[in-house]
Formats: sequence, C-alpha cells, structure tokens
Amino acid sequence: DVKVTQSSRYLVKRTGEKVFLECVQDMDHENMFWYRQDPGLGLRLIYFSYDVKMKEKGDIPEGYSVSREKKERFSLILESASTNQTSMYLCASTTGGPSTGELFFGEGSRLTVL
Amino acid sequence: TQLLEQSPQFLSIQEGENLTVYCNSSSVFSSLQWYRQEPGEGPVLLVTVVTGGEVKKLKRLTFQFGDARKDSSLHITAAQPGDTGLYLCAGGTNDYKLSFGAGTTVTVRA
Repeated sequence: DVKVTQSSRYLVKRTGEKVFLECVQDMDHENMFWYRQDPGLGLRLIYFSYDVKMKEKGDIPEGYSVSREKKERFSLILESASTNQTSMYLCASTTGGPSTGELFFGEGSRLTVL
Repeated sequence: TQLLEQSPQFLSIQEGENLTVYCNSSSVFSSLQWYRQEPGEGPVLLVTVVTGGEVKKLKRLTFQFGDARKDSSLHITAAQPGDTGLYLCAGGTNDYKLSFGAGTTVTVRA
C-alpha cells in the first residue's frame, strides 16, 4: 500500500521555537510538496522539490525553509515559529508533473504555535 | 485572492438528494482535478479532466470541465452519508504547481 507518512500528527510549540516537520514517501516519487491548509483559504503551496537537493519556492515561502537530502524524505523547517504559522501542514508527492498526475497526501500535521 | 473560486462554501443535504459543486476561475488551466478530504485525513484524488468540454462519470459522481477550461463542476446523484467530506478543486498549469480552491464542505444527513 503506497504511503506518504508525516512524522507528527499534532504539535504544540512556543513562539520563537524551531520546528521540524518530516515527510517520507515510499513510492519513489521525484516530486514532493509542502502545503498549508487554513479554513476558507484551501491549500497553499509553501515549497516543492523535483529532485534531491533541489527546491523551489511556492506561493507562501516566507518564514519557512525545506530540506531534501534523500529522494524519499522532504522536511519543512520553521526557523522561528510564530502564531500566524498555526495551521494544518500537508505533505504530498507525485511522479511527473502534478498538473495531470495524482498527488498523494499524508494525513497532515496540525501545528499550534502559542 | 483565490485563483479558483468554489461555491457553495457549505452544503448540507438529506440522503438521496442531488448536489452540485462549482469551481470557477478567470484563468485557463491545462487540467482540473477534484479531491475529497475526510476529517483527519489528507485529500484523495477523485478525477482529473484535461480536455475542454470533457465529462467523466464515476458511479454517482459526474465531473465536467468547461469548454474554455476555466471552470468545472461536480455533480453527485442520490448522495449518501459516505459522500460527506471537503471537496477541493485544483487547477494545473504547465509548471509544477497546482492551484487549489478553498473547498466545499458537504454534509449528507442520513
């Protein structure tokens, strides 16, 4: 059964803390994505990666960075968490371009920043 | 500003009724995808449409891509409680990005 696994389902952090969100996929997909999901705003793309060590900014990269050292793993980093980063974070992967291929999503990581 | 506008935002219907969800944009997309997301889960792809005017049917679900490839609709016939969820449309262009709508929350009451 193909799978995208996000390391933490729920996290509570304090303002200013560094936060790591890990995502692992077992489908040998080239492309991986990080989205945040907020009510009324849908999914917004933070960063994506189409190859190991490659990354591209999405629509809302400010306050975030990413790391892709291995093909199967894509990490999202919040260097100094702020309350406006409280959100649901979704990792996804696909092979080929996402505009026609299926995006496989993880179950999400709900982050609360106090 | 949302690139893709979905309507309605919320929809609550009785089991057995029909429903339609709309997805509209001023932009042209090379493809349009529909996902369903259940509470506590990630979105799951329902369908991809790529040709203007295309209609796809999956059991009780009918998806249509507008002729100009700017809009789409999802119609569910004889809705069941298992159809409850957040329905998201997503438009694809020729890069690696998908633009998502804000979603329509559908509740089907037994």
